Amino acid sequence: EVVLTQSPGTLSLSPGERATLSCRASQNVGTFLAWYQQKPGQAPRLLIYDAFNRATGVPDRFSGSGSGTDFTLTISSLEPDDFAVYFCQQRITWPPITFGQGTRLEIK
Amino acid sequence: EVQLVESGGGLVQPGRSLRLSCAASGFTFQDYGMNWVRQTPGKGLEWVALITWTTNRTAYADSVKGRFTISRDNAKNILYLQMTALRAEDTALYYCARGRVAGRQVYDFAYWGQGALVTVSS
Repeated sequence: EVVLTQSPGTLSLSPGERATLSCRASQNVGTFLAWYQQKPGQAPRLLIYDAFNRATGVPDRFSGSGSGTDFTLTISSLEPDDFAVYFCQQRITWPPITFGQGTRLEIK
Repeated sequence: EVQLVESGGGLVQPGRSLRLSCAASGFTFQDYGMNWVRQTPGKGLEWVALITWTTNRTAYADSVKGRFTISRDNAKNILYLQMTALRAEDTALYYCARGRVAGRQVYDFAYWGQGALVTVSS
């Protein structure tokens, strides 16, 4: 099973700042990694797939990078709507498909 | 517009059974692999099961293997999750989620339902 470890657990930033979220895989997942945003009471929303491809309708302030075991989601300039929980997910090896434990992005 | 609508959740006693349904519309259901993903209150996401778009190959998380069965009815555009021998730790919001790409085993999820809450308690 591929274990995904996200850091930090909570990130406190202000609107306009740059956010950098990390996801580390316990084994090589190539670029088969996705990022999701989840707001309270909502289903997750796909932001990034295959490590660096933005999903339809995702603003270009969101970008993904990395390959192998180390991945980063960057939000270049935080908007108030971006404060949420972010999850990474791998699909190279299943079962099981696995998710990271999440990073909570909160307003400072 | 792609829509996934779960139903069938509720309160159930430990050891009992429950069946969730996910009604799909807005896309060619038979062309996509489908999944169930659950989320415990205030916690993270756990993939539960998938069924491929063809051959109906299935896969399960170890935590539910032998107790849960995923199936699909392509004529009715409905995905199912039959849950038996339910445990307190199965309490969660259960989402159905569609594979991103038609005709391929690409399991990241661009579309999710709103979730069905299952509470296992005596």
